[in-house]
Amino acid sequence: KQEVTQIPAALSVPEGENLVLNCSFTDSAIYNLQWFRQDPGKGLTSLLLIQSSQREQTSGRLNASLDKSSGRSTLYIAASQPGDSATYLCAVNRDDKIIFGKGTRLHILP
Amino acid sequence: EAQVTQNPRYLITVTGKKLTVTCSQNMNHEYMSWYRQDPGLGLRQIYYSMNVEVTDKGDVPEGYKVSRKEKRNFPLILESPSPNQTSLYFCASSPVGAGANVLTFGAGSRLTVL
Repeated sequence: KQEVTQIPAALSVPEGENLVLNCSFTDSAIYNLQWFRQDPGKGLTSLLLIQSSQREQTSGRLNASLDKSSGRSTLYIAASQPGDSATYLCAVNRDDKIIFGKGTRLHILP
Repeated sequence: EAQVTQNPRYLITVTGKKLTVTCSQNMNHEYMSWYRQDPGLGLRQIYYSMNVEVTDKGDVPEGYKVSRKEKRNFPLILESPSPNQTSLYFCASSPVGAGANVLTFGAGSRLTVL
């Protein structure tokens, strides 16, 4: 059974620093992996989608990588800002069943 | 505006009283799905639908029903709600399956069952 793990569960970083969020999964037979952002009391917003054949995707200050063989993905956030404070979730998809990690709660210190 | 709309956003009900949470999308998406989010357990998929009249169980389907009679609507039905179904529920959709497309989420429905 697919399991998705995100470590750490919470992270505090001073503004302006670059940071990396980690996501690991146990079954490498996936269609894609998505990173989402969730603000308190709000829904999820998709940040980046990486297909199984891709190695990375970039959007602005965000870069997500995927290493399917090792079951790992990272989300790199450059030059962090207070507005980046949120919970970040990764989710893997296979056969249209989507399994989410429990998220990393990120706090950017002004 | 392209969006997924859930109603109600907040609901308090009592054990055993049937309720329906509606989900509607205006993007002509084929794929729709329901999730529940609980502290310490994260988001878990309840049901999903690849297209009209096609639905499949996710990881936690017990106690829930769904229907997909129209492309735009995917209601979640709790026939006899119990306190362990108190949760934050999300509906999501994507253009053609979730295999290659970005999921768009609704704002969530917070349900409390007393």
